[in-house]
Formats: sequence, structure tokens, C-alpha cells
Amino acid sequence: GENVEQHPSTLSVQEGDSAVIKCTYSDSASNYFPWYKQELGKRPQLIIDIRSNVGEKKDQRIAVTLNKTAKHFSLHITETQPEDSAVYFCAASRGGSNDYKLSFGAGTTVTVRA
Amino acid sequence: NAGVTQTPKFRILKIGQSMTLQCAQDMNHNYMYWYRQDPGMGLKLIYYSVGAGITDKGEVPNGYNVSRSTTEDFPLRLELAAPSQTSVYFCASSLETGWQYFGPGTRLTVT
Repeated sequence: GENVEQHPSTLSVQEGDSAVIKCTYSDSASNYFPWYKQELGKRPQLIIDIRSNVGEKKDQRIAVTLNKTAKHFSLHITETQPEDSAVYFCAASRGGSNDYKLSFGAGTTVTVRA
Repeated sequence: NAGVTQTPKFRILKIGQSMTLQCAQDMNHNYMYWYRQDPGMGLKLIYYSVGAGITDKGEVPNGYNVSRSTTEDFPLRLELAAPSQTSVYFCASSLETGWQYFGPGTRLTVT
């Protein structure tokens, strides 16, 4: 099955700086890569996703890049704010042929220092 | 829309007891999923369903059972609870596009 590895496990950044989280995946058939944010005690919520026919996607201060050849994808958060403090999970899926099961990374705890 | 709802929010079980975690969605999603999240860990897929009457095992199905008699409901059954099943359980649903919406979770403790 799919194996998703996520690094780093913890990340502390100064408010206003950028944060980058990287994930690698093992299944070359994976073509859907979402990112979820989970605040303490809350449910995971999708913040951005990317499909394999796109190399980069942006939404305001967050962006995701995908390198299918190297089988890795990254989340970039610019101009970090205290409300960005949370656990972030990457995931991968084949995303087709009735197979939308997600394999999640172990998560990155991001702390934004004021 | 209420989205994805789960009951109960919290539960304490004794070893060997059984219970059903309820999950419902009102978005007419075909796909539904059950995950467990252990402290400081990622999400592990327990079972999933691609439509009413169709279920399949995920990564960690042992000790659990599911059924899907309607599009809206996807209950998770724990038989003979064990301390290793102490976790937070999340239900999720999606359309074929893959964007999964999560419920608020059920925090289960087995003692």
C-alpha cells in the first residue's frame, strides 16, 4: 500500500516568516494530494489540495508544489500568523477508479511565535 | 447542512464491552470513512464505504465492524473493547472528487 512520510515532525517559526513542510509518497499511481489542518481538539479540515496534472497551486498565503518524478510534495505557508499554529497532515490517494482512500503522513506540529 | 455528525462525543468503556459509534452525513456523499487517531499520530483508516451496501477494510480493521444500509449513515461497531482501542475516532465523507469532510470526532477510552 501507499506509504507517506512527512517532515519535519515539529516546526517553530517567527510570526511573519515562512513555513515549509515536505512529504514523500511511495505509490507512483497516486495522483491526489490534499493537506489538512487540525487545531487542538478539533477535526481535520482541508486547506488545499493538488492533483498530478498540476505542479503548483496557491490560495492566498498557502501554496502546494508537487514533483511527480521525485514523488514528493510540499506545503508552503508565507507570512505566518499565530492562527497558523496547528498540526498539518499531508495525504496521498490514487483518486480514481473508485479508490479515494487517503494515506496520511504522521503530521507536523507548527508553532508560530509572536 | 449539518455536514458530518458523530455521536457520542465522549465515551468510557470497560474492557470487553461493546458499543456503536454513530456517523451521519447530509451532503449525499457516496463515500464514507472511519479513521482512528492515536495521541500525537496521524490518521489510520479503519473501514470505508463507496456506497450503500458496500464496505471494505482499511489499514486497521481488526476489532471493528461496519455496515452501510443507507447513503446517510455509517456506524462503526466495536466488539469486545480492548485498551488498544483507546483513541479518537473520526468519520469522514466525500464525493468522488476526494475532498473529505470530517466529523467532530468521538473520544473513546477503554479501561
